[in-house]
Amino acid sequence: DGGITQSPKYLFRKEGQNVTLSCEQNLNHDAMYWYRQDPGQGLRLIYYSQIVNDFQKGDIAEGYSVSREKKESFPLTVTSAQKNPTAFYLCASSMTGSGANVLTFGAGSRLTVL
Amino acid sequence: ILNVEQSPQSLHVQEGDSTNFTCSFPSSNFYALHWYRWETAKSPEALFVMTLNGDEKKKGRISATLNTKEGYSYLYIKGSQPEDSATYLCASGGYQKVTFGTGTKLQVIP
Repeated sequence: DGGITQSPKYLFRKEGQNVTLSCEQNLNHDAMYWYRQDPGQGLRLIYYSQIVNDFQKGDIAEGYSVSREKKESFPLTVTSAQKNPTAFYLCASSMTGSGANVLTFGAGSRLTVL
Repeated sequence: ILNVEQSPQSLHVQEGDSTNFTCSFPSSNFYALHWYRWETAKSPEALFVMTLNGDEKKKGRISATLNTKEGYSYLYIKGSQPEDSATYLCASGGYQKVTFGTGTKLQVIP
């Protein structure tokens, strides 16, 4: 079945550590996205990528980094510079980067900083 | 309106009742309007994407309308069932980005 796989589902991190969240899709989608959800807030865009080896900052990119070396993969690194990293992270993909295209989401990763 | 806003934030309805939610979005530079359903412990799932003023979409008991001139969309659920319990997300799609509202959490009481 085609879809998006995020791992790990739960992750605990000590302050000062970088962590990387994995996102893999087998939908042959060109565009991929990372969103963050906090209680009482909507999904906020961190980074997005429309093609391999290219990505753009979203609304809350500070303290995060990404790479897009393969079409199928869009890992997100939460660095120690992110002031409040505890959150739920969702990866999504779409056929192209057009805002009219339906997003397909992964199941999410919950990061807790201890 | 600068952001995507949804109301109400949450609501409880009895099984069999019909209900509706509102999504308001910036009407300038409109590109597309998305609705997603997000059930607990699952991934958000697309319901509709609408692009034209006056668009109406239907999927079973769920339907949506779009008014791009005044910047709002309604989602209707007819004869709510317990399996409709979820958070309903509205999002405005720009040229490249999709911006989400905070969602409406629906609880259908059997």
